[in-house]
Amino acid sequence: LAKTTQPISMDSYEGQEVNITCSHNNIATNDYITWYQQFPSQGPRFIIQGYKTKVTNEVASLFIPADRKSSTLSLPRVSLSDTAVYYCLVGGVSGTYKYIFGTGTRLKVLA
Amino acid sequence: EAGVTQFPSHSVIEKGQTVTLRCDPISGHDNLYWYRRVMGKEIKFLLHFVKESKQDESGMPNNRFLAERTGGTYSTLKVQPAELEDSGVYFCASSRRGAGNMDEQYFGPGTRLTVT
Repeated sequence: LAKTTQPISMDSYEGQEVNITCSHNNIATNDYITWYQQFPSQGPRFIIQGYKTKVTNEVASLFIPADRKSSTLSLPRVSLSDTAVYYCLVGGVSGTYKYIFGTGTRLKVLA
Repeated sequence: EAGVTQFPSHSVIEKGQTVTLRCDPISGHDNLYWYRRVMGKEIKFLLHFVKESKQDESGMPNNRFLAERTGGTYSTLKVQPAELEDSGVYFCASSRRGAGNMDEQYFGPGTRLTVT
């Protein structure tokens, strides 16, 4: 069974760049990598998705190395409102349990 | 556009009782997913519908869980009989594109199930 791991928690200060890494050693060929943000008592909210190399949108960047066994979510200039739990989700059409959530990283942004 | 909605938001039942959770996906989304997070564990995939068909139910823990999506619209997840270890938060998500090209999944707020 594929396992997807992340650091349990991270602290950062407002205005800093935050990088959160997800390890997914058993990623399958057809799997995509998606990152979600979750606030208390809410469902996960989509941040960014990618398959390989680098993807950037208005809120984040996603870096995926050539072997795709890890991925890094980069949040530029975080603010207090970015305090949340961040999950990577690995999924596609291959194999069973095809959508695997990471263990989640609790990010705390300090003033 | 309305988001994914789930009902109830919280349910407290006794061991051995039956509970039915409901999910209404975003209109036009053919894909519907159920996940759950039990205490202290990761969010786990349960199953995936494409319209009314179960595409993958490999994550369903046992035969006490039954998911349906009649007509390809809303879905229900029934737990019968409920056990203590079923307590947790059950999330539903929906997406537009086919599973062959993974698309953004929109999540509902979840149903918190407490079995006493």
